Amino acid sequence: QKEVEQNSGPLSVPEGAIASLNCTYSDRVSQSFFWYRQYSGKSPELIMSIYSNGDKEDGRFTAQLNKASQYVSLLIRDSQPSDSATYLCAPSNQAGTALIFGKGTTLSVSS
Amino acid sequence: DAGVTQSPTHLIKTRGQHVTLRCSPISGHKSVSWYQQVLGQGPQFIFQYYEKEERGRGNFPDRFSARQFPNYSSELNVNALLLGDSALYLCASTRQGSETEAFFGQGTRLTVV
Repeated sequence: QKEVEQNSGPLSVPEGAIASLNCTYSDRVSQSFFWYRQYSGKSPELIMSIYSNGDKEDGRFTAQLNKASQYVSLLIRDSQPSDSATYLCAPSNQAGTALIFGKGTTLSVSS
Repeated sequence: DAGVTQSPTHLIKTRGQHVTLRCSPISGHKSVSWYQQVLGQGPQFIFQYYEKEERGRGNFPDRFSARQFPNYSSELNVNALLLGDSALYLCASTRQGSETEAFFGQGTRLTVV
């Protein structure tokens, strides 16, 4: 079983729509969860962190965490072409010494 | 404030050679982690250092080694390079461990020929 699973996509949405990105993880004791955005040829950029069950909103981004289901998601409202990138889900490991990345979901926002 | 800085940005090496990659963390951050990202995959954890001590090691061969200096900067060394070591090497800086927010440098693109 893969440690972190994400749909590779591409996920295509029109400009102004809501993009929904999903992630499941296998380590039940992960305590910290992060979403990174990575443009082609660039390094990952932290966009959201979430540590407890529920929703966390930051501007157009909302992260949702359900530890019982081992599920974390990212919603992007009012999607813009500049949001087109690969989104990486990354729970921390039990020891807090590493981030475990999924392969990422490629998002394409069309104008 | 300066972010995480890595050097060099690009590097071409021949199989069997040795390479040293460098990283300076964000001011005030005491932990540095190294990740390898091959095309089409998410970053894979190599090492974490906190206060100059190794706190974590990923599933990489002994050809990979690292260290952290008193000013919290870090080096990643790879010996006996293989073609499969070609990747983007990323350094991440956190205040403490990976349970807190990690910020990545721009990476070093290593090509082994």
